[in-house]
Amino acid sequence: EAGVTQSPRYAVLQEGQAVSFWCDPISGHDTLYWYQQPRDQGPQLLVYFRDEAVIDNSQLPSDRFSAVRPKGTNSTLKIQSAKQGDTATYLCASRLRTDQDTQYFGPGTRLLVL
Amino acid sequence: GQQVQQSPASLVLQEGENAELQCNFSSTATRLQWFYQHPGGRLVSLFYNPSGTKHTGRLTSTTVTNERRSSLHISSSQTTDSGTYFCAIDPDTGYQNFYFGKGTSLTVIP
Repeated sequence: EAGVTQSPRYAVLQEGQAVSFWCDPISGHDTLYWYQQPRDQGPQLLVYFRDEAVIDNSQLPSDRFSAVRPKGTNSTLKIQSAKQGDTATYLCASRLRTDQDTQYFGPGTRLLVL
Repeated sequence: GQQVQQSPASLVLQEGENAELQCNFSSTATRLQWFYQHPGGRLVSLFYNPSGTKHTGRLTSTTVTNERRSSLHISSSQTTDSGTYFCAIDPDTGYQNFYFGKGTSLTVIP
């Protein structure tokens, strides 16, 4: 079984540029999460989906961040007009709603905003 | 909001020594999980342990829910145990939205 995949693995931007991160969850997983992990910190939940519906996006840092999952499979997280404070690793995770024990994480996208 | 505090922040061991990692959390209505992250690697679940004691290999997790604490014990540490260990709580909303601690960075030297 293929794990959660993410792309790109790395991104370097100047402040003000836009960037999109892509996540392909484990096939059949109906719940998908995006986390932001600053250096030397734990992951912080940004948004999560059940199928194509946003369950909670209240932790998205600002209206510069948006996330979609239009067909309930792959998902895209976008940052408009990136700031240096957005420098972090962005993690995607997925699970089946019936699996209460864990989430399965992707390798992450490391973002550096100069 | 939910708070998770882990200690120590970092730990250096000689191979073969034991490690005890601590996690304290703010809510009793939680589902607790321990994760491991190798440097540059993905997060991997070690234990789902909302209460009681669980073992796997050289790892033991003990959670005392009404005291809002959990521990992760690593016996006979190996260099391959090096990495960061995270404690995370889920306030049991039904959607498994985790709140993570800042982690304990473990380095095991040969």
